[in-house]
Amino acid sequence: DAGITQSPRHKVTETGTPVTLRCHQTENHRYMYWYRQDPGHGLRLIHYSYGVKDTDKGEVSDGYSVSRSKTEDFLLTLESATSSQTSVYFCAISTGTSGGSSSYEQYFGPGTRLTVT
Amino acid sequence: AQTVTQSQPEMSVQEAETVTLSCTYDTSESNYYLFWYKQPPSRQMILVIRQEAYKQQNATENRFSVNFQKAAKSFSLKISDSQLGDTAMYFCAFSSGSSNTGKLIFGQGTTLQVKP
Repeated sequence: DAGITQSPRHKVTETGTPVTLRCHQTENHRYMYWYRQDPGHGLRLIHYSYGVKDTDKGEVSDGYSVSRSKTEDFLLTLESATSSQTSVYFCAISTGTSGGSSSYEQYFGPGTRLTVT
Repeated sequence: AQTVTQSQPEMSVQEAETVTLSCTYDTSESNYYLFWYKQPPSRQMILVIRQEAYKQQNATENRFSVNFQKAAKSFSLKISDSQLGDTAMYFCAFSSGSSNTGKLIFGQGTTLQVKP
């Protein structure tokens, strides 16, 4: 158990409204990630963070922003939700190193199912 | 850009038998990591097994093993003595060893059903 929680776990919102998803970790890992999962696409990286206030874009970042003001929290914001952002969102952390090598194993939170109507 | 392809959308296997899930990837790097993740109906993503590209020996974790063919860019997962609890979607994933970001690139997934 990597101590990762996501909130909310389910959310239904209307098109055009802002939405913020929260990821919280308890083990002070440096790297955190946001992915979305859609049928036929696997998981795709939205944004990631490599430290407090240090973030970068992933493969599908349009329409999303992130913030990391504390090591333990990584927030994903949809400024104006669209129906195409209906998805399951996963947060992940990376252990960075394992056994002396940089393996970057990732461990995932339970996911948030977001529906935009 | 790196890509990961899983060409088997769905597979099934009888309980106690062996099944192999396929994964191919494309990269120009020599140092990288490959992973298999399991996603049961609970939706939780679970790390099954990991392979470092610089290691020639195939990774094993109990009933799970991989066949890593670096030249062919192939990374298949073998599940021996399949159990009903192995029913899940399985994802192959790639991570660059040179970028130091740990970003994962996933395949599309293979849904595995284990039949009693």
